[in-house]
Amino acid sequence: EDKVVQSPLSLVVHEGDTVTLNCSYEVTNFRSLLWYKQEKKAPTFLFMLTSSGIEKKSGRLSSILDKKELSSILNITATQTGDSAIYLCAVDTNAGKSTFGDGTTLTVKP
Amino acid sequence: NAGVTQTPKFQVLKTGQSMTLQCAQDMNHEYMSWYRQDPGMGLRLIHYSVGAGITDQGEVPNGYNVSRSTTEDFPLRLLSAAPSQTSVYFCASSLGQGFRQPQHFGDGTRLSIL
Repeated sequence: EDKVVQSPLSLVVHEGDTVTLNCSYEVTNFRSLLWYKQEKKAPTFLFMLTSSGIEKKSGRLSSILDKKELSSILNITATQTGDSAIYLCAVDTNAGKSTFGDGTTLTVKP
Repeated sequence: NAGVTQTPKFQVLKTGQSMTLQCAQDMNHEYMSWYRQDPGMGLRLIHYSVGAGITDQGEVPNGYNVSRSTTEDFPLRLLSAAPSQTSVYFCASSLGQGFRQPQHFGDGTRLSIL
C-alpha cells in the first residue's frame, strides 16, 4: 500500500522565521512528488518534483526531492501571515493514482 | 475560464438518503478524480477516471459510485448515506496519465450526514 507521511503535523512560527516541512513516501512506481497549499478551500499547486527535476524554487519557497532517502522538504523563508495554510504533499505513481499525506498546518503569527 | 466546478457547495442529508455530487471541468482534461478530506487529514482518493468510459477505485471506494460518460463530467453518487461519509469532497482533474501535470481542484462540497 502506498504511503506518504508528513511532519510536523502542525507548526506555529512568527513572521520572518524560516520553516522546513518534511514529506517521506513509500510507493510503487514513483512518478512525481507534488506540494500543494490549501487555505480556505481547494488545494493549489506549488511545486512538482520528478527524477529529472529535484529542486524547485519560487520566491521565498523552495523544495528538494531526495530520491535516495525517498523524501522531500519544502522550505519557506521570511514567513508572512499569508503563508498560514495547510501544506499537502502528494506522490503520483505510474499507475495513475495520487496518494496524499495528512498535511502540515502552518500558522504564522504577526 | 471556470476550471473545475462542483455543485452543490453544501448539503445536509439524512442517513439512508442517496444523492449525487456533480463535477464538471472545461479544460478538456482526460484524468478526473474524487477525494474526501476529513478533519486533520489529507485527501483520500475515492474513485478516479483516466478517460471517458473508464473508471477505477481509489483507496476508500465503499459506499460510492462513479461514471464517466463524457470527458467533462464526473459525478459521484452516494448510494445510502451514512454518518461516516460526513466530509468535504473535492473533485480534481489533470491532462492525463501521460502528462506530468498537477491536478486542478474544485472548491469542494461540504457534506453532512445526520
